[in-house]
Amino acid sequence: DVKVTQSSRYLVKRTGEKVFLECVQDMDHENMFWYRQDPGLGLRLIYFSYDVKMKEKGDIPEGYSVSREKKERFSLILESASTNQTSMYLCASIPPQGALTFGSGTRLTVV
Amino acid sequence: EDQVTQSPEALRLQEGESSSLNCSYTVSGLRGLFWYRQDPGKGPEFLFTLYSAGEEKEKERLKATLTKKESFLHITAPKPEDSATYLCAVRDMNRDDKIIFGKGTRLHILP
Repeated sequence: DVKVTQSSRYLVKRTGEKVFLECVQDMDHENMFWYRQDPGLGLRLIYFSYDVKMKEKGDIPEGYSVSREKKERFSLILESASTNQTSMYLCASIPPQGALTFGSGTRLTVV
Repeated sequence: EDQVTQSPEALRLQEGESSSLNCSYTVSGLRGLFWYRQDPGKGPEFLFTLYSAGEEKEKERLKATLTKKESFLHITAPKPEDSATYLCAVRDMNRDDKIIFGKGTRLHILP
């Protein structure tokens, strides 16, 4: 089974801090995604990547950046955390034909 | 515009009371329709993929069906452990395989 591992389940950060959320998948998938999930808003796509060093903006990229230096690892960066970035962050990967596999999520609180 | 709409938003059932969740979609080229289960504080867990109208998939008390405009997730004789949020998503082959999520149905099974 594909495994997507997010490095932290819970994080508390201060406003203005630079935050790194790490994600690793073990099935050699080229496509990886970062979503955030908020009550009433559902899953919203932040960034995705089709290959190493490639990235594409999703629906809500403002305030975020990403890094994909290795195929298995996709990092989400909050350059200067703000309270409106308090959310559940979900990483996922997908094969060419198939469904997304999600990590267990990181609950980020910015205070 | 591509859309995925799930109904109802929330559903409370007695244990053993069968029902169905609905996912209606409008995409120009369906590459797949996906159902996920999500428990509070966790990432979505993959349940089913459906590719073409008339297709059905089953797993324990769950059965997913697909028509050209909608999908149903039928829950037969549910148990309290079936309580979760159920998410529907579609993959649009005519929009660079973009994946669009519905906002989910919160299902609560009362013992």
